[in-house]
Amino acid sequence: NAGVTQTPKFRILKIGQSMTLQCTQDMNHNYMYWYRQDPGMGLKLIYYSVGAGITDKGEVPNGYNVSRSTTEDFPLRLELAAPSQTSVYFCASSPRTANTEAFFGQGTRLTVV
Amino acid sequence: KNQVEQSPQSLIILEGKNCTLQCNYTVSPFSNLRWYKQDTGRGPVSLTIMTFSENTKSNGRYTATLDADTKQSSLHITASQLSDSASYICVVSGTWDMRFGAGTRLTVKP
Repeated sequence: NAGVTQTPKFRILKIGQSMTLQCTQDMNHNYMYWYRQDPGMGLKLIYYSVGAGITDKGEVPNGYNVSRSTTEDFPLRLELAAPSQTSVYFCASSPRTANTEAFFGQGTRLTVV
Repeated sequence: KNQVEQSPQSLIILEGKNCTLQCNYTVSPFSNLRWYKQDTGRGPVSLTIMTFSENTKSNGRYTATLDADTKQSSLHITASQLSDSASYICVVSGTWDMRFGAGTRLTVKP
């Protein structure tokens, strides 16, 4: 049972480049989330989705976009990378709302130089 | 403002010793509180979950307590092992969202 899978694990981007962080889950969860984790800080919600075709902004959405065309996949898009986006990104999923346990991927460490 | 505060930021203990981590929150309305363990380079993994009516929950050597009146929780680790070295994150859920503490970095030394 793979759970939540994120790719890539590491990436270095130049300022202004674009990239997509991939996230897929095989647990048939409706809810999916993208978080960023900065050193010494709690995870901050970027975007979330309550089901295929439905997405909404979280606490820190600026500079990011998402889509949810299937239940399994929830990619995160960075259009114009900035140094402030250097962080570790975690994708998570849960069966229902945040009131149920969330399962996290292993993270993507992104550095923008 | 971060609505979940954890202390201490970091802690070093010797293998076999006990320790207690603290979490204070101001999230309202409150749905549940979870403790996650995050190994270096990995995603968080849930240890315990407590709702408003629960004041203690155990998972092996991990025991979490919750005082909903004072909005405080603690995670007690008994007979620590080297594998307990990790960050421990307190997560408080409101109506639909989760608020994360910054975590306590625990190092267990032989």
